[in-house]
Amino acid sequence: SQQGEEDPQALSIQEGENATMNCSYKTSINNLQWYRQNSGRGLVHLILIRSNEREKHSGRLRVTLDTSKKSSSLLITASRAADTASYFCATVLTGANSKLTFGKGITLSVRP
Amino acid sequence: ETGVTQTPRHLVMGMTNKKSLKCEQHLGHNAMYWYKQSAKKPLELMFVYNFKEQTENNSVPSRFSPECPNSSHLFLHLHTLQPEDSALYLCASSPGTGGFYEQYFGPGTRLTVT
Repeated sequence: SQQGEEDPQALSIQEGENATMNCSYKTSINNLQWYRQNSGRGLVHLILIRSNEREKHSGRLRVTLDTSKKSSSLLITASRAADTASYFCATVLTGANSKLTFGKGITLSVRP
Repeated sequence: ETGVTQTPRHLVMGMTNKKSLKCEQHLGHNAMYWYKQSAKKPLELMFVYNFKEQTENNSVPSRFSPECPNSSHLFLHLHTLQPEDSALYLCASSPGTGGFYEQYFGPGTRLTVT
């Protein structure tokens, strides 16, 4: 099975609400990255969090990492319709250089 | 605009055709990647190039043949494909293949094999 598994698979919220997406992984990581993909387009990098970091922020995005639980969460605050996209977590395993292992992704729909 | 371009954006080909996908990055990166994205499956890494040298082939069938003439250009040559090869093919680049680099993706080529 894949290294990163996102939860939930799909999420629908109202504009202005917060969206929380989770990612779990199985083996020791170097870092974990979150990407966004708009329908049928390429992926856009959002945040990279290293294994020795616990929390990172970028604008309305907040990512946490709990290596003891092998899990990460992505929080989008004050969501907008433009946040509608698929979100992927990707892990870089310890010793695996920059090889990213992706999960299947979470489909986020933000209703205007 | 991520600085990575891919052409064509859409491609329909028969199982006996030969075609090529092209990727170009304008970021001065040294590493380039090909990924395959199929519906309801995780993104699959196909090939990795670092300084024009292939460093990873993820057990990809030989009907997919990559070529990296320089650090800015990456090609994927396709021949005698199968319908299950229909997918979105994504190219990406990064400064290097060290552990802490993010990857920059192109918009992808939507391939349909008939």
